[in-house]
Amino acid sequence: AQSVTQPDIHITVSEGASLELRCNYSYGATPYLFWYVQSPGQGLQLLLKYFSGDTLVQGIKGFEAEFKRSQSSFNLRKPSVHWSDAAEYFCAVLPSSGNTPLVFGKGTRLSVIA
Amino acid sequence: EPEVTQTPSHQVTQMGQEVILRCVPISNHLYFYWYRQILGQKVEFLVSFYNNEISEKSEIFDDQFSVERPDGSNFTLKIRSTKLEDSAMYFCASSGDSRNQPQHFGDGTRLSIL
Repeated sequence: AQSVTQPDIHITVSEGASLELRCNYSYGATPYLFWYVQSPGQGLQLLLKYFSGDTLVQGIKGFEAEFKRSQSSFNLRKPSVHWSDAAEYFCAVLPSSGNTPLVFGKGTRLSVIA
Repeated sequence: EPEVTQTPSHQVTQMGQEVILRCVPISNHLYFYWYRQILGQKVEFLVSFYNNEISEKSEIFDDQFSVERPDGSNFTLKIRSTKLEDSAMYFCASSGDSRNQPQHFGDGTRLSIL
């Protein structure tokens, strides 16, 4: 079955430390891939997207993600986390063909400590 | 930057009542979506709308739900005879001229059913 997995429900990192949030998908062909961030009480903001081409994509707020076809992964990274990065992060997948809609992972909640 | 706007931000309704959630998508976007996020759970697709008709819907989107684009700017979600389990955040999203364009989300409407 088609699915998006974010294996980490909650991650806590120290301010200034590096961050990697994991996302794996299960689809027949390479889908379109997205990361969204949701701050408390807010909507979903697009951080970055991958459609094709360079497998390392840069996003807003200093985030980047790397698509690895062999691992069916699209992990989100940031070299130095800021306290304002504390939020919920959602990986989302859109199959590149057909009418299947955007599918979200369950999210990873990021806490940042001093 | 243009954004998706949703009103109201919070709606409290008695069980069994009808509720209409409103959205103004980004003006030159052609695809419109509604998603639901029950507290503590992942974002779930409800319905997509293109060319004045529903293009896809999930099994959540049953007969109690309907969508409408009553004029050139608004996109509404109507829930007839609300149930307690309809309590959730409802997000509207829109995307450009093809289904693989990134979806831009509003800040959501928190629906509380009493």
